[in-house]
Amino acid sequence: AQRVTQPEKLLSVFKGAPVELKCNYSYSGSPELFWYVQYSRQRLQLLLRHISRESIKGFTADLNKGETSFHLKKPFAQEEDSAMYYCALKGGSQGNLIFGKGTKLSVKP
Amino acid sequence: DSGVTQTPKHLITATGQRVTLRCSPRSGDLSVYWYQQSLDQGLQFLIQYYNGEERAKGNILERFSAQQFPDLHSELNLSSLELGDSALYFCASSRDSYGYTFGSGTRLTVV
Repeated sequence: AQRVTQPEKLLSVFKGAPVELKCNYSYSGSPELFWYVQYSRQRLQLLLRHISRESIKGFTADLNKGETSFHLKKPFAQEEDSAMYYCALKGGSQGNLIFGKGTKLSVKP
Repeated sequence: DSGVTQTPKHLITATGQRVTLRCSPRSGDLSVYWYQQSLDQGLQFLIQYYNGEERAKGNILERFSAQQFPDLHSELNLSSLELGDSALYFCASSRDSYGYTFGSGTRLTVV
């Protein structure tokens, strides 16, 4: 079954601390994975996609096929990073995105 | 502005009523996706349309239906509304493997 698991509902860190938001997936093919960010119940914004290997707002994510993971990392968290983060897998018969339940990141001053 | 337009932004209606949510995709995008976001269920995929045709169905209730018109805008119809249908409804569009572009959502409150 295709599934995305984000084990942490809430992650709270202090400003300047490193952040790692965990994402594990289950998919029987070559996965396409994404991270989306949602500020204060606004629209979801694409943060990263694994195939581009880019860094946005200091965030990076590496696909680890052996561990079926796509963890999101940032070395130094900022208060403005506080938001909901969703990991998503492009799956389904027609390529619809399957989302994890999200992790709420809270960065304290 | 993401290029995906959803109207209305807010909707308050009574149980048993019917509402229509509208989505205009980003210019050039042929695929439209509808998602429901509630506090307890997270983001649930409802349905996908591609160039006017239904492509995939997710956890969409029989009371809900959708369509995509020749100009590619899409409408999500919710009928016989229940309190539990209160949620944020997002529309997204896509063109290729880059990912989805989401609209700002419609916040539906059923009272």
